[in-house]
Amino acid sequence: DQQVKQNSPSLSVQEGRISILNCDYTNSMFDYFLWYKKYPAEGPTFLISISSIKDKNEDGRFTVFLNKSAKHLSLHIVPSQPGDSAVYFCAPRDRGSTLGRLYFGRGTQLTVWP
Amino acid sequence: EPEVTQTPSHQVTQMGQEVILRCVPISNHLYFYWYRQILGQKVEFLVSFYNNEISEKSEIFDDQFSVERPDGSNFTLKIRSTKLEDSAMYFCASSDSNSPLHFGNGTRLTVT
Repeated sequence: DQQVKQNSPSLSVQEGRISILNCDYTNSMFDYFLWYKKYPAEGPTFLISISSIKDKNEDGRFTVFLNKSAKHLSLHIVPSQPGDSAVYFCAPRDRGSTLGRLYFGRGTQLTVWP
Repeated sequence: EPEVTQTPSHQVTQMGQEVILRCVPISNHLYFYWYRQILGQKVEFLVSFYNNEISEKSEIFDDQFSVERPDGSNFTLKIRSTKLEDSAMYFCASSDSNSPLHFGNGTRLTVT
C-alpha cells in the first residue's frame, strides 16, 4: 500500500529552527488530512488537520500546508523544541470510507537538539 | 483530559491460542476502531465499529478476528487462533462524529 509516502524516515533540527515534514499521496479521494505524533510506548496523538478545501491551517507553532495539485502536504513546526522529538505520521482519510479509517504513512522521526 | 485505556500493555501467547485485547474508549464517544502496527511497518486500519456493528473492515480483518462491545464501557478485539504474523502493537481508538481519533497506548501482542 503506497497511497501515503513520507520519504524522509528521519529529520534532525536544532532547537529554535523550523522543522518541515513532508507527505505525498496518490489517492484523489483523500479529503481530510491529519498529522499525528507518537512518543515511544504511547499511542499516536492528534496534532493538526486540514480539509481538502483549504490550503493552509495553523495552530500555534504548527502549520500544515496542502498542495492538492501536487498531492503533497507539509507540516511546519516553528520554533522547534526538544519536546517535539517524536515520530510524526501523515494520516489522510478517504471520503469513500468510514469516518475513522485513516491511511498512515511510515512516519518521520524528528529529533530536535539543543 | 479523558483518554482511551488498553489492557494488557503486553500479551504473550502461543500460536493457535485465542487472545482478547481490551479497550475502554472515551466515555461519550460512539465510534470505535482497532489499528495495528507490525514492527517496522505502517500503522494499519483493522476495523471500525458504530452502533453495535462493524462499519468497515480491512482485508486484514478476516474470520479469525472479531470485535465486541460487551457492555457500555469496553470494546474488545478477539483473535481466535493466533499466528506468528499476528505479532504486532494493537491500538484501540475512539471518536465522536466530529473529532479526530483518540488512540490508546496500545497492547503489544507477541505470538510464540
